[in-house]
Amino acid sequence: DQQVKQNSPSLSVQEGRISILNCDYTNSMFDYFLWYKKYPAEGPTFLISISSIKDKNEDGRFTVFLNKSAKHLSLHIVPSQPGDSAVYFCAASRYSGGGADGLTFGKGTHLIIQP
Amino acid sequence: GAVVSQHPSWVICKSGTSVKIECRSLDFQATTMFWYRQFPKQSLMLMATSNEGSKATYEQGVEKDKFLINHASLTLSTLTVTSAHPEDSSFYICSARDIGTSGTQIFWNEQFFGPGTRLTVL
Repeated sequence: DQQVKQNSPSLSVQEGRISILNCDYTNSMFDYFLWYKKYPAEGPTFLISISSIKDKNEDGRFTVFLNKSAKHLSLHIVPSQPGDSAVYFCAASRYSGGGADGLTFGKGTHLIIQP
Repeated sequence: GAVVSQHPSWVICKSGTSVKIECRSLDFQATTMFWYRQFPKQSLMLMATSNEGSKATYEQGVEKDKFLINHASLTLSTLTVTSAHPEDSSFYICSARDIGTSGTQIFWNEQFFGPGTRLTVL
C-alpha cells in the first residue's frame, strides 16, 4: 500500500514556464514533507521541505504548497530551466522524540524541460 | 557542507559472498543514518534506521540477519549484505540526518543522501 503517491510518471514543460509536480499521501501521521531531485545512479539531492504547521514554503525558484485537509502537496518551479530536467521524488516522514523518522518516498516524476 | 559519501560506488560479487558498504558524513556528525534500497524504476525504500551506539531498527520485511548494520561512530555507518544472492542486486543509498540550528531555535533538518552503491550479485 503506497503511502506517498506521485501519479504522474512524467511531465514535460517548456523552458521558462512553470512546472507543477503533485504528490498525495494517505498517512495522516506524516507531518514533514520534502522534495528531492535525483539523477540516475546518484543519490537524491534535497530541494525544499515543509512542516505540517505551514502551508507554503519558498526557496528561490522552488515553492512547496501543502494542503493538509486534502493530504496533497505540490512543488512549483518557476521559471523552469533545462537543468531542472531530472526525476523528482516527494517524501514524507513523522517527527518522533528523536527527530524525523526515515522517509517514505513516492515513485517519482520525471520532469523534462523542453527548450 | 552536509556531504555524505559512500564506498564503494559499485561492486560485483559472487552469490554467497558478503559485501560491506560504508556511509560517511564528511563535514557533520550524524547520530542517525538511514539505509534505503532502490530497485530499477522503483522508489527508494527505507530498509533500516541506524543510531550511533545502538542497534539498528529495521523496517518490516527486511531481514536483520541478512543486512547487518553497524554505526560505531558519529560519522560512519556500515551495511553488510551477508550471503548475497542475485535478488539482492540493487542500488543501496544511505542518508544522514543533520541537526541544525537557527538562532535560538533548534530544528531537525532534512536528510542528506550519499551517492549510492550499485550492488550486482552474480
